[in-house]
Amino acid sequence: DAKTTQPPSMDCAEGRAANLPCNHSTISGNEYVYWYRQIHSQGPQYIIHGLKNNETNEMASLIITEDRKSSTLILPHATLRDTAVYYCIGGRIGSSNTGKLIFGQGTTLQVKP
Amino acid sequence: DTGVSQNPRHKITKRGQNVTFRCDPISEHNRLYWYRQTLGQGPEFLTYFQNEAQLEKSRLLSDRFSAERPKGSFSTLEIQRTEQGDSAMYLCASSRRGLADTLKGTGELFFGEGSRLTVL
Repeated sequence: DAKTTQPPSMDCAEGRAANLPCNHSTISGNEYVYWYRQIHSQGPQYIIHGLKNNETNEMASLIITEDRKSSTLILPHATLRDTAVYYCIGGRIGSSNTGKLIFGQGTTLQVKP
Repeated sequence: DTGVSQNPRHKITKRGQNVTFRCDPISEHNRLYWYRQTLGQGPEFLTYFQNEAQLEKSRLLSDRFSAERPKGSFSTLEIQRTEQGDSAMYLCASSRRGLADTLKGTGELFFGEGSRLTVL
């Protein structure tokens, strides 16, 4: 599984876009990029995932560079409830896929009023 | 609520005692995972079941730890002779494995709220 690198912490003003970067230079061709977040004292929550193309859902947008060595999670209008630890994870697909995800230490996003 | 349910939510025990945690996954999910999370760290993978079969165990899972999923539904994680280093949040997650998943790589794990263990 690809090793990912994220900044340990970031701040964002409420109502502004939060852009969370992730480096995954060793990602292989059959690995997706997954993003989860964990609000204090809760279990992790799935946000979004992608392979090559940019993805958008009701929670966020995921921008993956053409070489797939990095990605950015975008929360378009951050709210105080988006304060959480955000994890970027490389996960394999295919017949041997166990679905197991290896979490790093993530980025602590603090949304400030 | 049809999410992943974990019990108990909190457990305080004395060193040397045995503890057991239970996880009820989302009903149609055939995969179940246990993770452990210590303060300030991301969740660490412990073990994984597909239906009732335990298919992978982390080296973190010492012989004092045992997990079961007897009928492919709920799962239990038992820790024998607890040590202070076992203090952590124990997280359970479930997902659905199907042919389509291998093509789409959904990778969406649904986590419970966790069971927090404190060993005195």
